[in-house]
Amino acid sequence: GENVEQHPSTLSVQEGDSAVIKCTYSDSASNYFPWYKQELGKRPQLIIDIRSNVGEKKDQRIAVTLNKTAKHFSLHITETQPEDSAVYFCAARPNKFYFGSGTKLNVKP
Amino acid sequence: GAVVSQHPSRVICKSGTSVKIECRSLDFQATTMFWYRQFPKQSLMLMATSNEGSKATYEQGVEKDKFLINHASLTLSTLTVTSAHPEDSSFYICSASPAGGLREQYFGPGTRLTVT
Repeated sequence: GENVEQHPSTLSVQEGDSAVIKCTYSDSASNYFPWYKQELGKRPQLIIDIRSNVGEKKDQRIAVTLNKTAKHFSLHITETQPEDSAVYFCAARPNKFYFGSGTKLNVKP
Repeated sequence: GAVVSQHPSRVICKSGTSVKIECRSLDFQATTMFWYRQFPKQSLMLMATSNEGSKATYEQGVEKDKFLINHASLTLSTLTVTSAHPEDSSFYICSASPAGGLREQYFGPGTRLTVT
């Protein structure tokens, strides 16, 4: 089955700096790669996604890049704000969803 | 759009009893629903994939007789934890993928189960 690895497990940045979270996957059949933000005790919220026919997607301060050859994809958050602090999960979907282990992002004001 | 509800949000039950959790897609039809379990400070662990009108597909290590899943309609899936034990205490989250959609999933708010 699919194996998704996510790094780093924790990330601390100063407000206004950029944050990058990286994931790798193993199954070449995966063709959908969402990123979720989860605040404590709440449901994961989809923040951005990318499909395998696209290399990059941007939505305001958030961007995702995908390298199918290398089987890795990354989340980029620019101009970070304290409200960006949360746990972020990547996922890959061949037929069902496989999640990364999560990254706890702390944005210091 | 794409709202998923889950009920109850919290439940406390005694060891040995059964608990049913409902997952509903409120404004779309979901051919596929997923059930996850999440322990504190950990990732989501897929328990099973539920397809409307057919038997659920369970992940390796998940007891199908303990975690009964019924996907009765295109908007409702239920998870029943049978003969619950304290080690079943966890955060259970469902998600639903819209029929004819582009493979995305939308999560319910989760159910915090505590078995005493």
